[in-house]
Amino acid sequence: AQSVAQPEDQVNVAEGNPLTVKCTYSVSGNPYLFWYVQYPNRGLQFLLKYITGDNLVKGSYGFEAEFNKSQTSFHLKKPSALVSDSALYFCAVSPIDSSASKIIFGSGTRLSIRP
Amino acid sequence: DADVTQTPRNRITKTGKRIMLECSQTKGHDRMYWYRQDPGLGLRLIYYSFDVKDINKGEISDGYSVSRQAQAKFSLSLESAIPNQTALYFCATSDPYSYGYTFGSGTRLTVV
Repeated sequence: AQSVAQPEDQVNVAEGNPLTVKCTYSVSGNPYLFWYVQYPNRGLQFLLKYITGDNLVKGSYGFEAEFNKSQTSFHLKKPSALVSDSALYFCAVSPIDSSASKIIFGSGTRLSIRP
Repeated sequence: DADVTQTPRNRITKTGKRIMLECSQTKGHDRMYWYRQDPGLGLRLIYYSFDVKDINKGEISDGYSVSRQAQAKFSLSLESAIPNQTALYFCATSDPYSYGYTFGSGTRLTVV
């Protein structure tokens, strides 16, 4: 079965420190991978995606993610956290053979950045 | 105007009532989706549609139905609402070439 795991319900980081939000996946074949962010009372917003090519993907708001095929991971990172980064983050995966038609979402990680 | 508009934003309804959640999009995409969000469970797919004549069940379709009235409109109905359908509901549309989803702002539904 295809699945996405976000092992941390919450991540707490001090402003200015680097942050990592973890994601691992299980799909048959090669995946399309995504990160979305949800601010309070808002829908999900697209951050970045990995389709093919360079394993390090850069996205919006200074975020980046690294695709690691051997570890089946796609961790979200940012070198220096901002208080405004506090939000709910979702990792998502779609197997290539579905043409990204059905994305499977993780359970979400709440990122809290303290001043 | 938002690319994906959901109405209503909030709704409280009684058990057994029929309710419809509406979604419209201006992206011009053929693909539309309804998701349900519950704390700790992420987003779960209820129904999806790849064009006006195409409707598919997702992982949690029981108790729900959908109608694709036009390319831009995709509505979700709860025929007889029950309390465990209390959740945040999201509509989304996608472009098969860029692989990204665009979400609406959500409808918070409470069934009492």
